Amino acid sequence: NAGVTQTPKFRVLKTGQSMTLLCAQDMNHEYMYWYRQDPGMGLRLIHYSVGEGTTAKGEVPDGYNVSRLKKQNFLLGLESAAPSQTSVYFCASSYKSGRARGEQFFGPGTRLTVL
Amino acid sequence: QQPVQSPQAVILREGEDAVINCSSSKALYSVHWYRQKHGEAPVFLMILLKGGEQKGHDKISASFNEKKQQSSLYLTASQLSYSGTYFCGTEMGNAGNNRKLIWGLGTSLAVNP
Repeated sequence: NAGVTQTPKFRVLKTGQSMTLLCAQDMNHEYMYWYRQDPGMGLRLIHYSVGEGTTAKGEVPDGYNVSRLKKQNFLLGLESAAPSQTSVYFCASSYKSGRARGEQFFGPGTRLTVL
Repeated sequence: QQPVQSPQAVILREGEDAVINCSSSKALYSVHWYRQKHGEAPVFLMILLKGGEQKGHDKISASFNEKKQQSSLYLTASQLSYSGTYFCGTEMGNAGNNRKLIWGLGTSLAVNP
């Protein structure tokens, strides 16, 4: 099992460019999350999904869009990148119920720099 | 709404104990604890549900005081491998269906030989 994987691992963008971050999980998890982590700010939830075809806003959704067309994939899009979006982005997933309910499995992260 | 973690940082010698606290002003359904090493992703430690339970494995344990809306993480006989930043994530509400975690800012723990 690969667990949670993220593509790409690193990316440098110019202001105004767009990109999509891909998160994939092979654990059949219902829930998936996108976080950003900045120095001294902890983890902040951008968007999350409780199932295929459904998404919801988190704490800091502005400037981002998401889609979950397949259960195993959760995409994060930046339509027009800004320097304030320079951050490390983590994807996570978890089961909906059962003994392992709530435990979030994290991907390795994507380090994004916007110039 | 964001939980408050204390202390912000702690330095230990190998074998010493530490306590990290996580407090919320809102009613909590659960508290989640994770450890993150530098340059890596957070790794799950444990979840505590409301009801005041205490959980643990090996030399790391935690408690959840529902009345105080506070959780404490106990690290006993610390090892070098315990070094990292510890985050608590809190889930609010009564039914635990929210599934959104609000995270604290973290506690940096350094264990020296």
